[in-house]
Amino acid sequence: AQSVSQHNHHVILSEAASLELGCNYSYGGTVNLFWYVQYPGQHLQLLLKYFSGDPLVKGIKGFEAEFIKSKFSFNLRKPSVQWSDTAEYFCAVTPSGNAGKSTFGDGTTLTVKP
Amino acid sequence: DAMVIQNPRYQVTQFGKPVTLSCSQTLNHNVMYWYQQKSSQAPKLLFHYYDKDFNNEADTPDNFQSRRPNTSFCFLDIRSPGLGDAAMYLCATSKTSYEQYFGPGTRLTVT
Repeated sequence: AQSVSQHNHHVILSEAASLELGCNYSYGGTVNLFWYVQYPGQHLQLLLKYFSGDPLVKGIKGFEAEFIKSKFSFNLRKPSVQWSDTAEYFCAVTPSGNAGKSTFGDGTTLTVKP
Repeated sequence: DAMVIQNPRYQVTQFGKPVTLSCSQTLNHNVMYWYQQKSSQAPKLLFHYYDKDFNNEADTPDNFQSRRPNTSFCFLDIRSPGLGDAAMYLCATSKTSYEQYFGPGTRLTVT
């Protein structure tokens, strides 16, 4: 069975600071990788995804993530955060072609101070 | 707009009293999921439907059941809720193994 580990439970940054949230997974086969975001009072929504191809993927609102296969990592980055990025961020893994086996990390709460 | 709808948004039930949560989607996705999410924890997959095929997670208690009468609707039945079942219940849909689209969730309180 796969597992997902998010290194930081709570991150506090000032506006304009750079962000990197760690995500590592364990699974022996090919995976699809996702970052989801949950803004206060809103439902989970997709931030970005990786299926294949260029390991550097860009998502909404200036976020990007890099898949490093050798490290089983899919870290989320943003060069300059805004107050509106305050939210909870979840990394998720799904084995390719196996829709039902999604596994989520425990999430990272990001607080951006204005 | 195409979306995933969950009703009710808030549900209060008594200990041991059966409760049903509903989910509907207008995305025509073939996969529907139910997750349980407790505070500060990851969403935990309870089960999913791939088309009509029901797939139960090994550690999902027997107290939790599901029905999918058609592509658009899926129900979560909790036969005898305990205090430990108080949580946010999330419904999601996807096309095969692609990204999931989540509903707003139903917050269940057990008194």
